[in-house]
Parts: sequence; C-alpha cells; structure tokens
Amino acid sequence: EIVMTQSPATLSVSPGERATLSCRASQSVSSNLAWYQQKPGQAPRLLIYGASTRATGIPARFSGSGSGTEFTLTISSLQSEDFAVYYCQQYNNWPQAFGQGTKVEIK
Amino acid sequence: QVQLVQSGAEVKKPGASVKVSCKASGYTFTSYDINWVRQATGQGLEWMGWMNPNSGNTGYAQKFQGRVTMTRNTSISTAYMELSSLRSEDTAVYYCARWGDGSGSYYSDYWGQGTLVTVSS
Repeated sequence: EIVMTQSPATLSVSPGERATLSCRASQSVSSNLAWYQQKPGQAPRLLIYGASTRATGIPARFSGSGSGTEFTLTISSLQSEDFAVYYCQQYNNWPQAFGQGTKVEIK
Repeated sequence: QVQLVQSGAEVKKPGASVKVSCKASGYTFTSYDINWVRQATGQGLEWMGWMNPNSGNTGYAQKFQGRVTMTRNTSISTAYMELSSLRSEDTAVYYCARWGDGSGSYYSDYWGQGTLVTVSS
C-alpha cells in the first residue's frame, strides 16, 4: 500500500502570507493526487485534483503542483477562512490513501 | 445543486451493527460511485470502501473486509454503509462522498455532512 506523508504537521502563518504544504508518496502516483480542506466540525472540501486542477469554486490563491512522489499545495496569500487542516489523497493505486494532514494555524 | 444528506447520529453497544444512510440529490445517482470515509475524533481521514450505485459492485479496504457492507436503493437515490461487530475503536464520524469524475479519476468532489457513530457500553 502507498503511504502518504505530509509535512509539516503544523504550519503557523500570518494572514496575507504565503503557505506551502508538502505531500510525499511512498511510490509514484503519477498526477493522481487530490487536496482537501477541512474546518472544525465540517466535512472535507475538495480543493485540487489531478495534482494541479482547482475544483469548482476554489479561489485562485490555491494552487497545486508536482507529480510522481512529491507534491505541493500553495496558498498564495492566506485569508482568515483558510486556517484549517489540509489533507492530500492519492487515487492512483488501490487502496486510495490520505496523508495525516497539515494544520495551518494563525501565527 | 449536488447534495448528499446523511442520517443522524447513532449510539451503539459493542458487538452491535450500525447502518448509515446517504441520500443523493442534484445529479443522477447511478452515474457516480459513492465512497465512505471515517474520521475518529482529532484524527485523520480513513478510507473504507466504495460502491457503484448502478451495478451494486463494491470494494472494501482490507481493514474492513468482513465487517462492512455497502448497498443502495436506486429508487430513492440512497446509499448505505453497514458496519458490524462494532468496537470502541469504531467511534468516529462517517462520511459518504461522491467518488470519481466519470473519466477514471477517483477523488471525492461532494461530501455528506457526516454521521457520528459512538460505540459505548
């Protein structure tokens, strides 16, 4: 099974600053990677699929990059509503797998 | 608009079973797979398995094989996830989500609101 590892576990960022989140796969997942945002008490929300395609209604400040085993989610200028936990998920191999999450908190 | 509405919270005793429903609207229910993901309090997301509402075909994560059953009723656009032999470690929020975009990419684009299942004696 593919193991997804996210770093850092917690990222402290000031509003307006850039946030860079990393996700690493234990073996290649091509571009079959998604990113989700989850706020407390809410269901996850799809942000990015295909490693770099924004889902419907997702602001342009969210961008995804990478392929193979190394992926990045970048939030260009953090807004107050962006403080949340972010998960990556590979869907290239069975079974699909999530990373353990990165919490983006206010600095 | 696409919506997935799940059944309400459940409290079960160890050894019992729970059946969670997920009613879909705003799209053709049989055109997209449904998958189930759970999340224990303060923990990450754990994928449980999937179901094709058209054929009824299913696939379960190895961890849940033999304990989980995913079914559907197409006449009411509703998917079900039943988990048996419950133990305290199964206490979690269970989510259904629409799975796949119809072109072979299996990410979850729409999610239910979640159902809290508490297992306690």
